[in-house]
Amino acid sequence: DTGVSQDPRHKITKRGQNVTFRCDPISEHNRLYWYRQTLGQGPEFLTYFQNEAQLEKSRLLSDRFSAERPKGSFSTLEIQRTEQGDSAMYLCASSAAQGALDTQYFGPGTRLTVL
Amino acid sequence: KNEVEQSPQNLTAQEGEFITINCSYSVGISALHWLQQHPGGGIVSLFMLSSGKKKHGRLIATINIQEKHSSLHITASHPRDSAVYICAVYMDSNYQLIWGAGTKLIIKP
Repeated sequence: DTGVSQDPRHKITKRGQNVTFRCDPISEHNRLYWYRQTLGQGPEFLTYFQNEAQLEKSRLLSDRFSAERPKGSFSTLEIQRTEQGDSAMYLCASSAAQGALDTQYFGPGTRLTVL
Repeated sequence: KNEVEQSPQNLTAQEGEFITINCSYSVGISALHWLQQHPGGGIVSLFMLSSGKKKHGRLIATINIQEKHSSLHITASHPRDSAVYICAVYMDSNYQLIWGAGTKLIIKP
């Protein structure tokens, strides 16, 4: 297994368009996380899944954002009616969630630029 | 006040110097994570610890749960260590990682 992968790596879109990102976690990792990182800041938690269930969503995740993990494997993050403030790096991570310690493994990120 | 504070925000040092990055937190945690982020966004997990000390190569991480403080040390620093180092904590109450703002480290040859 080559680790967490994300697609696309870069996305440029016009304001108002919808975009969808994909994350493929490390196989057999049951937890999957989405984060957003703006320039010069640490990542901000958006949401996470335990298998196919979305267990927690940040207040940062407005109604324009939706995430799914339909079969408990890959996940998609969709942003509708994009705004310039959505420009950021979107990071995905996965973990095996063994016990209390939960090392997260990160993908390379998808850099979104909204014009 | 942020729940996770890192210091310094920026650090420039000469190759070979001993580096210390500090992390303080104000919430109850189950574990603390040190991560390294290179330009372009790639994040690599360095250590996860809930007590004591861990060592991997030239990197050492310590945590003092009573004082709510952790340090990341780099011995014999090298220009390839230049990156942003991020401290993140797992809160007791949920599975969220609360992130510090990061420390940007530059090691000059």
